[in-house]
Amino acid sequence: EPEVTQTPSHQVTQMGQEVILRCVPISNHLYFYWYRQILGQKVEFLVSFYNNEISEKSEIFDDQFSVERPDGSNFTLKIRSTKLEDSAMYFCASSEALRQTQYFGPGTRLLVL
Amino acid sequence: AQSVAQPEDQVNVAEGNPLTVKCTYSVSGNPYLFWYVQYPNRGLQFLLKYITGDNLVKGSYGFEAEFNKSQTSFHLKKPSALVSDSALYFCAVRDNNNDMRFGAGTRLTVKP
Repeated sequence: EPEVTQTPSHQVTQMGQEVILRCVPISNHLYFYWYRQILGQKVEFLVSFYNNEISEKSEIFDDQFSVERPDGSNFTLKIRSTKLEDSAMYFCASSEALRQTQYFGPGTRLLVL
Repeated sequence: AQSVAQPEDQVNVAEGNPLTVKCTYSVSGNPYLFWYVQYPNRGLQFLLKYITGDNLVKGSYGFEAEFNKSQTSFHLKKPSALVSDSALYFCAVRDNNNDMRFGAGTRLTVKP
């Protein structure tokens, strides 16, 4: 069964450094998403992406964040200058079409020191 | 704006007993409702969804959920719990937008 994959599974970085989280969505899916889950808290929507542009974003997704689909398979989330409060589990998801079921990857656990 | 509430942080049941994990929602339009399960150190796995049609929705692993419009609820149920059902369960809602709002999660523990 096809699934969303994410790399790395864990990343530790210093405050102020840039990180790039990578995702490979399910191959025939057209909509892509990033969510985050701060330890012990709820899953929060960050951004959705379709047709090479952001379609929706939350208030969390500020200028420090950016997303890109650099090729036909990868979907990346970049945090330009990490802060301590960016420490969280980041989940990528994809869906076949608008308002269809979103399938999630296993997540990347980011720790900012 | 849409939101979802899971009133119980924790639900404990004995193996073989029925289980219910509660969820209530608030949306401005027609609700699209989902249940996901998260096992330790794993991502979110889709269980089931309600878009339209029958109020009782059947999903993976023997789970089902009942959509109740008058009570704005979408409780997750299973007739007979297994120890392996122990996990974190998230209810999520989406309205006419495409972003989903998740509940805080309910930790289900099934004891042998």
